[in-house]
Amino acid sequence: QKEVEQNSGPLSVPEGAIASLNCTYSDRGSQSFFWYRQYSGKSPELIMSIYSNGDKEDGRFTAQLNKASQYVSLLIRDSQPSDSATYLCAVPNFGNEKLTFGTGTRLTIIP
Amino acid sequence: EAGVAQSPRYKIIEKRQSVAFWCNPISGHATLYWYQQILGQGPKLLIQFQNNGVVDDSQLPKDRFSAERLKGVDSTLKIQPAKLEDSAVYLCASSFGLPSVYEQYFGPGTRLTVT
Repeated sequence: QKEVEQNSGPLSVPEGAIASLNCTYSDRGSQSFFWYRQYSGKSPELIMSIYSNGDKEDGRFTAQLNKASQYVSLLIRDSQPSDSATYLCAVPNFGNEKLTFGTGTRLTIIP
Repeated sequence: EAGVAQSPRYKIIEKRQSVAFWCNPISGHATLYWYQQILGQGPKLLIQFQNNGVVDDSQLPKDRFSAERLKGVDSTLKIQPAKLEDSAVYLCASSFGLPSVYEQYFGPGTRLTVT
């Protein structure tokens, strides 16, 4: 079983709609979770972090965490063409500081 | 504040040749990471430094890859000899350290093509 799993996509969403990106992880001891955005040909950029069960909102972005189900998601409201990118889920290994990335979900916002 | 700097941005070499990448982290960041990102995959950690000491190099192919971080600032990653499967983007990242160790800031990367 992969440590961090994401659907690779591509996920196509109409402009203005809600994009929903999902991630599951295997390490039950993980305490923090991160979403990075990576535009084509660019490097990853941290956009959200979440540490507690429930929702965390930052502008049009909402991260949702369910530790019992080992599931973290990212919602993007009012999707814009500029949101088209690959979104990487990252989870630290319990007991060390190593960050494990998923393969990423490629999101395309259709105007 | 200047970001993470990397050079070169692109490199094309033949297999069995050697290559070196350079990284300058954000000023004051104690932790430095080298990742390998193969097309279509997430970044894979190769080595992590805390100041000038190695924290984790468990996924570094030590028969061909080496890295150092002299004086706890700049770092170099070397591949010798290169193989075709080393073609990837090599990303350097840095973080301030505890408690924000996971808030990593990435450089622009070096795209390596091995022919």
